[in-house]
Amino acid sequence: GNSVTQMEGPVTLSEEAFLTINCTYTATGYPSLFWYVQYPGEGLQLLLKATKADDKGSNKGFEATYRKETTSFHLEKGSVQVSDSAVYFCALKGRATNAGKSTFGDGTTLTVKP
Amino acid sequence: DTEVTQTPKHLVMGMTNKKSLKCEQHMGHRAMYWYKQKAKKPPELMFVYSYEKLSINESVPSRFSPECPNSSLLNLHLHALQPEDSALYLCASSQQGRVNQPQHFGDGTRLSIL
Repeated sequence: GNSVTQMEGPVTLSEEAFLTINCTYTATGYPSLFWYVQYPGEGLQLLLKATKADDKGSNKGFEATYRKETTSFHLEKGSVQVSDSAVYFCALKGRATNAGKSTFGDGTTLTVKP
Repeated sequence: DTEVTQTPKHLVMGMTNKKSLKCEQHMGHRAMYWYKQKAKKPPELMFVYSYEKLSINESVPSRFSPECPNSSLLNLHLHALQPEDSALYLCASSQQGRVNQPQHFGDGTRLSIL
């Protein structure tokens, strides 16, 4: 079956530091990959996505590249802000059988200190 | 602003009560989902509706009863819940059959069982 593995958190950074959150996946075929962000007291919001190999998703300074050879989709940001403090989930949607189901990683809590 | 609206935002109920959670979206999405999320954990899929018909039930106890009255509305009826059912309940929607499209989440209902 499909699975997503995220780096364990929590992650604490100072403002303007570089961020990497690792994500690797296992899936049959060619899944679509997503990063969602969850701010305190809110639901999940789509941060970025990539739907085929070598695609780069980007949004609000965050980037992630779909690497089929390493089955990875690592999230990066060059300079984090306090407002980026949240929980980040890597997820995939597979192409087999039921395309509606998403598989989520365990989430990584990011805290950015001023 | 989230495009998926959930009510109520908070709910406290006793183990013998009957209550309902409501979810509404007007994006024309024909796939709708209920998730349960415990603190610091990823969302756990409970139910999936496709074209107003239940397509996935992830072995959820019968004290949770979903209903999809029309393409915009999704309900979750609750009866005789247990303390371990206390959690954030998230509704989501997406375009049916489009693996490259993300899920859109509401902000959830925070449920506490006394």
